[in-house]
Amino acid sequence: DIQMTQSPSSLSASVGDRVTITCRASQSIDIWLAWYQQKPGIAPKLLIYKASSLESGVPSRFSGSGSATEFTLTITSLQPDDFATYYCQQYDSYPLTFGPGTKVEI
Amino acid sequence: QEQLVQSGAEVKKPGSSVKVSCKASGGAFSNYGVSWVRQAPGQGLEWMGKIIPISGTTKYAQKFQGRAMMTADESTGTAYMVLSSLRSEDTAVYFCARDPVTVGPGILDSWGQGTLVTVSS
Repeated sequence: DIQMTQSPSSLSASVGDRVTITCRASQSIDIWLAWYQQKPGIAPKLLIYKASSLESGVPSRFSGSGSATEFTLTITSLQPDDFATYYCQQYDSYPLTFGPGTKVEI
Repeated sequence: QEQLVQSGAEVKKPGSSVKVSCKASGGAFSNYGVSWVRQAPGQGLEWMGKIIPISGTTKYAQKFQGRAMMTADESTGTAYMVLSSLRSEDTAVYFCARDPVTVGPGILDSWGQGTLVTVSS
């Protein structure tokens, strides 16, 4: 199975900050990486797919980059609605695997 | 976008089984896959498996092979996940999610609201 790691596991930020989260895969997954946002008690929401493609309806302050084994999610100008946990997920091969999550807190 | 509506919370005894349903709001799955993902309290996301309703083809994570069964009824647009031989570690919120890729693994672009399954004696 492909193992996914994320750093940091949590971070404190303020409204307006630029935030970067890193995701690493245990082997190359090309660009087959997605990012999700999850708020407490709510299902995850797809933000980014194919490493850098923005899902329809997702604000443009979210962006993704990377390939092979290293990926980043960037939120420019953090908004109050962005305080949540973010997960990366590889879909290069079965089983789908997720990173452990990064909690973005005030 | 397609909405998925799941069945309500369940409380089960260890050793029993649970069946969770996931209904497509449009009444059909329109040739996409349905994955099941679970999340234990305070933990991350764990993929359990996927079914392609139109063909009945399934793919399971090895951890759940033999203990989870995913089925779908195309006529009602409903997918089901049965998890058997329940133990306390299976206490979690179970999500269904739409996967637009029917051949191979894909993204999860629309999620059900989640079903809490509590396993307790």
